[in-house]
Amino acid sequence: KAGVTQTPRYLIKTRGQQVTLSCSPISGHRSVSWYQQTPGQGLQFLFEYFSETQRNKGNFPGRFSGRQFSNSRSEMNVSTLELGDSALYLCASSPEPGRDYGYTFGSGTRLTVV
Amino acid sequence: AQSVTQLGSHVSVSEGALVLLRCNYSSSVPPYLFWYVQYPNQGLQLLLKYTTGATLVKGINGFEAEFKKSETSFHLTKPSAHMSDAAEYFCAVSDTSGTYKYIFGTGTRLKVLA
Repeated sequence: KAGVTQTPRYLIKTRGQQVTLSCSPISGHRSVSWYQQTPGQGLQFLFEYFSETQRNKGNFPGRFSGRQFSNSRSEMNVSTLELGDSALYLCASSPEPGRDYGYTFGSGTRLTVV
Repeated sequence: AQSVTQLGSHVSVSEGALVLLRCNYSSSVPPYLFWYVQYPNQGLQLLLKYTTGATLVKGINGFEAEFKKSETSFHLTKPSAHMSDAAEYFCAVSDTSGTYKYIFGTGTRLKVLA
């Protein structure tokens, strides 16, 4: 069974540009969450999608957005990139929203903003 | 609001020695707790989870954790460390404020000495 697939694995962007990251959840999983991991702030929740609807959003500026498609695949977009956006972005999936599932994480996309 | 504290950002053990990684949580309701492991340049892998029921939870790779409500702890242990256990370990609690996001601790980097 394929795991959570994130593409691309690595990205280098320039300040002011925008970027789109992609996540394909495990087959049958309909809930997708995104987290940002940095050395300074650790792992922080970005947003959660279920049935193409954003259910929750973390404390990030409006430059961070996302969406989910009918096949449960998800994308997140960061516009007007800042140096501080350099991070590992992790996508996680579960069958549906719920406290007890235990999310399955992808290997992440490492974004470097120069 | 929930929170997680991991004592010790770095832990070193000798190969074959006991591994003990500490996690304390704060939650106003019965918590759902998780331990994840992250290898270099990888995503997070679920080691084990506590939702309800038995307080001693066994996970993958020989790890186990015990939920102690009176001590608000969920420490991770492994009787005998292997070199392959060297990684970063994260404790997480599932939010109860209406989202299912995870609140992660700051992580503990485990070093295994030959």
